[in-house]
Amino acid sequence: AQSVTQLGSHVSVSEGALVLLRCNYSSSVPPYLFWYVQYPNQGLQLLLKYTSAATLVKGINGFEAEFKKSETSFHLTKPSAHMSDAAEYFCAVGWAGGTSYGKLTFGQGTILTVHP
Amino acid sequence: ETGVTQSPTHLIKTRGQQVTLRCSSQSGHNTVSWYQQALGQGPQFIFQYYREEENGRGNFPPRFSGLQFPNYSSELNVNALELDDSALYLCASSIPGQPDPHFGNGTRLTVT
Repeated sequence: AQSVTQLGSHVSVSEGALVLLRCNYSSSVPPYLFWYVQYPNQGLQLLLKYTSAATLVKGINGFEAEFKKSETSFHLTKPSAHMSDAAEYFCAVGWAGGTSYGKLTFGQGTILTVHP
Repeated sequence: ETGVTQSPTHLIKTRGQQVTLRCSSQSGHNTVSWYQQALGQGPQFIFQYYREEENGRGNFPPRFSGLQFPNYSSELNVNALELDDSALYLCASSIPGQPDPHFGNGTRLTVT
């Protein structure tokens, strides 16, 4: 069974400050890991994904995440927050192979607020 | 290339009624997954369709059912609606071997 825990339902930062959104997962097999962003009244947009290649993954809009197997973590970071980063962020885990593609388990989400 | 489109965008139903939500998958994507996102929660996997057959199901009762058509579009049907069915329903399409599905903007269902 897979599960995802996002630590902190709300994170608040100042514009220009570091963004750190935490995600821990459990999976009985090597996982695929994802970060999605959701703006109000919209669907999910993929920020980045880990698919067993490089452990440091770079995504869109300056975000990156590092897969740490020993810590079962996949935290999302951005060096300098922008007002447009204010949104809800979801970490998700999926399985590789067979009929498992596209079936994701999501965390509860973290709402990021950016103050001027 | 067109993305995933869902209709309608909003819907209000009464408890006990039935509802059908529709999804057109991204061009070339033959796999469709449906997710339920309750307010303040992360999306939960309902089921997936591949080549018109159900290909996995999450922890949802049988009154949640689906169809996939030869053009890969899909429907989600919910019978005997309950208040707790109020949520954003997301459709996502993918191709075998692609780990990340592409999501539509969802249908917001309100059950009163």
